[in-house]
Amino acid sequence: DIQMTQSPSSLSASVGDRVTITCRASQSISSYLNWYQHQPGKAPKLLIYAASSLQSGVPSRFSGSGSGTDFTLTISSLQPEDFATYYCQQSYSTPALTFGGGTKVEIK
Amino acid sequence: EVQLVESGGDLVQPGRSLRLSCAASGFTFDDYAMHWVRRAPGKGLEWVSGVSWNSGGIAYADSVKGRFTISRVNAKNSLYLQMNSLRAEDTAFYYCARERRTLVRGVIMKYFDYWGQGTLVTVSS
Repeated sequence: DIQMTQSPSSLSASVGDRVTITCRASQSISSYLNWYQHQPGKAPKLLIYAASSLQSGVPSRFSGSGSGTDFTLTISSLQPEDFATYYCQQSYSTPALTFGGGTKVEIK
Repeated sequence: EVQLVESGGDLVQPGRSLRLSCAASGFTFDDYAMHWVRRAPGKGLEWVSGVSWNSGGIAYADSVKGRFTISRVNAKNSLYLQMNSLRAEDTAFYYCARERRTLVRGVIMKYFDYWGQGTLVTVSS
């Protein structure tokens, strides 16, 4: 099974900060990598698919990069509505589209 | 508008059974594979099970294999998860999600583009 490891597991940041979250796969997954945002009490939301493609309707301050085993989600200027937990997901080894452990972004 | 609405969550005792439902609307249900994902308290998202559009392909996480059964009735635009022999560690919010496939740079990419709000399953005596 492919293991997905995110870092950090949590971070504190201020509105306006640039935030970077990393995700590492236990083997090469090319660009088969998705990112989601999950806020308490809400449905998870797709942000990025195929490592760097922005989902329709998602603000352009979110971007994704990487291929192979190392990936990054960047929020260029953190907004109040961005405080949430972020997950990467591999779609290389299907049908089990497994997730990373999550990164909780909290207010500093 | 695409909508996924889960139901059936409840408080149940260990060893008992529960059936979750997901009602889909706003899209052609039998065009898409569907999945169940859960989030236990204090933990991250965990993929649970998935079913292809025609039920020809079904898969489970090792943690639920042999206890949970996924199914769908396309005529009713509905997805189900039959959960047997429930354990305390099955306590979680359960979400249904639609699998979207898109051609990106010549390759088919899969991702979950719509999710429901979730239904809470609590397993406790």
